[in-house]
Amino acid sequence: IAGITQAPTSQILAAGRRMTLRCTQDMRHNAMYWYRQDLGLGLRLIHYSNTAGTTGKGEVPDGYSVSRANTDDFPLTLASAVPSQTSVYFCASSDGGTGSGYTFGSGTRLTVV
Amino acid sequence: GQNIDQPTEMTATEGAIVQINCTYQTSGFNGLFWYQQHAGEAPTFLSYNVLDGLEEKGRFSSFLSRSKGYSYLLLKELQMKDSASYLCAAMDSNYQLIWGAGTKLIIKP
Repeated sequence: IAGITQAPTSQILAAGRRMTLRCTQDMRHNAMYWYRQDLGLGLRLIHYSNTAGTTGKGEVPDGYSVSRANTDDFPLTLASAVPSQTSVYFCASSDGGTGSGYTFGSGTRLTVV
Repeated sequence: GQNIDQPTEMTATEGAIVQINCTYQTSGFNGLFWYQQHAGEAPTFLSYNVLDGLEEKGRFSSFLSRSKGYSYLLLKELQMKDSASYLCAAMDSNYQLIWGAGTKLIIKP
C-alpha cells in the first residue's frame, strides 16, 4: 500500500441496504476525512477524525457513520442507503501540519438504486 | 459563515496563460491550497500559500493576498493535459480545509 487505499472502486447498491466503504492509509497521518463530491457542489465533508479514537461531524453527516479504531483505518458506513447518497466518495488524510494539505484516495463511485 | 468563491468554468487556448481567481472567507486562516482534479480522478495537491505574495512552481504560480481574502492560480504555456478542474481551499482555525466548488478549465487547440 502506498498512500490511501479505498475499496470498493465502484458499487451499485439497492436502496435500504447497509454498506461500508473502506479507507486505509499507510502514512501514519493523524487526521482522516470522508467527502462526497457531486457535480456542481464540490467536495462536502461528511465526517472527520483528528486522531485515532475520535470522530466529528462535517457538513453533511446525516445517514452516515464512521469509526476510527486505529490510525490507519477509517471506514464509512451507510446504515440504510437512499438514492440521494449516490455520489463519488473520497477519503483523505493529513498529518495535521498547516502546509501539508490532504492526500486523497482514488474514490468510490456509489450508485443507490 | 465560511465561503469560497471561484468561477465555475473557464476556457483558454493551448500555449496561452490563464488566471483562476478565488476569494475566501473563513473562521481563522492557516493557508490557501490549490488542487488539480482530472475527470474521474482524485484531487492532487498543486500549491500552498500562507504568506502574501507569489509562489512559483514551474508553469504554475499561486498568489495570495490575506488582507483581501484573495488568491489566484496562474497557469502558463497551457497544454492540453491541463484540462481539469482546479479546486481552491482555505484552511480554517481548526486546520480543516474549506473547499470551493472548483473551476473547470477547458483548453482548446
